Amino acid sequence: SQQGEEDPQALSIQEGENATMNCSYKTSINNLQWYRQNSGRGLVHLILIRSNEREKHSGRLRVTLDTSKKSSSLLITASRAADTASYFCATAIIQGAQKLVFGQGTRLTINP
Amino acid sequence: AAGVIQSPRHLIKEKRETATLKCYPIPRHDTVYWYQQGPGQDPQFLISFYEKMQSDKGSIPDRFSAQQFSDYHSELNMSSLELGDSALYFCASSLGGSSGNTIYFGEGSWLTVV
Repeated sequence: SQQGEEDPQALSIQEGENATMNCSYKTSINNLQWYRQNSGRGLVHLILIRSNEREKHSGRLRVTLDTSKKSSSLLITASRAADTASYFCATAIIQGAQKLVFGQGTRLTINP
Repeated sequence: AAGVIQSPRHLIKEKRETATLKCYPIPRHDTVYWYQQGPGQDPQFLISFYEKMQSDKGSIPDRFSAQQFSDYHSELNMSSLELGDSALYFCASSLGGSSGNTIYFGEGSWLTVV
């Protein structure tokens, strides 16, 4: 079964608003990484948050991690049309080697 | 900064043919991963290599094989192609197989099986 589930599956907001995407997972993790994917393109790395961290910021991005609830959130502030993309959380499990297990992704649409 | 390079970007093959995808990791990265993403799906882990040895294996069909070479580039060989193999194939790389570092992805190779 999927390690990660994302919520919502699709989100449509107006430019300038904030967008929040949530990710839940099932097993213990070493870290959690968020990626962005424009349609049919590559996965662009956004932020890595380790299991002993609770919050990280990068520009307009804020990621939180709650290991007790096995959940993470990605907040994009002051959204722009260029933020329109699919966003995936990927949990990193290390059993000898590191492996990323992806959630189903959130399709974010920013309306001008 | 240099990124993960994949080739070819697009290829079209007929059923039962063979395809080979190549991946050149970020310089000094010693770990390579392969993922498959079907239409509208999330990426699925296929296989990974650390220091030229297979480090983990996921849902890779027996018809597929991969290896990492001495210069750390990797190739994914797919034989007896089926229509269901049509997907976007990603290669990714990182430094240190089990160190929990950022994993960087390439632009992907689109495979269409007709």
